[in-house]
Amino acid sequence: DTEVTQTPKHLVMGMTNKKSLKCEQHMGHRAMYWYKQKAKKPPELMFVYSYEKLSINESVPSRFSPECPNSSLLNLHLHALQPEDSALYLCASSEAGVETQYFGPGTRLLVL
Amino acid sequence: GESVGLHLPTLSVQEGDNSIINCAYSNSASDYFIWYKQESGKGPQFIIDIRSNMDKRQGQRVTVLLNKTVKHLSLQIAATQPGDSAVYFCAENPMNTGFQKLVFGTGTRLLVSP
Repeated sequence: DTEVTQTPKHLVMGMTNKKSLKCEQHMGHRAMYWYKQKAKKPPELMFVYSYEKLSINESVPSRFSPECPNSSLLNLHLHALQPEDSALYLCASSEAGVETQYFGPGTRLLVL
Repeated sequence: GESVGLHLPTLSVQEGDNSIINCAYSNSASDYFIWYKQESGKGPQFIIDIRSNMDKRQGQRVTVLLNKTVKHLSLQIAATQPGDSAVYFCAENPMNTGFQKLVFGTGTRLLVSP
């Protein structure tokens, strides 16, 4: 099973709202990732967690706040987003020390 | 800097043809390469990967070729089907960034006509 699940599938939020994106995997992977993907562009890495610790932050604005409560779950907390933050947010996971990443279906976010 | 690019943004083929999607990379230190397929409204789906100590790797109807001399990667899809229509991304793992970073190419859209 190489399934990564993400909720919600779609999210519309105003610039003053607070919302969270959720990601879950049960493959025993110890590395989890958040990517942002704009239309017709490749995924761009935002954050990497390794063994539940933040290991990479690609200079992402603080209005995006990641959290890894346990080895199976990854959250992305959103606050005071801008319309340009509208995108597909992808979660991925991999075995520790292995490059192959498996992606979830994404959450399509629209910021009004 | 590091970059992974594709020669053709869109490739149109007839059903049953073989498709070849190309990718150029610039970091000679990259030791791992991977192809993803992304259908509309979905996340990238792993297709096949290859390490730099190999020149060729085959999967079901797909073959990845790696030419380290010219820093070129290709994905061959045999007997292309309408269900293969998607955007295909290559990605590389530059050794000097740790195992966790994949650098994605710009993508090629494959259109398969019945």
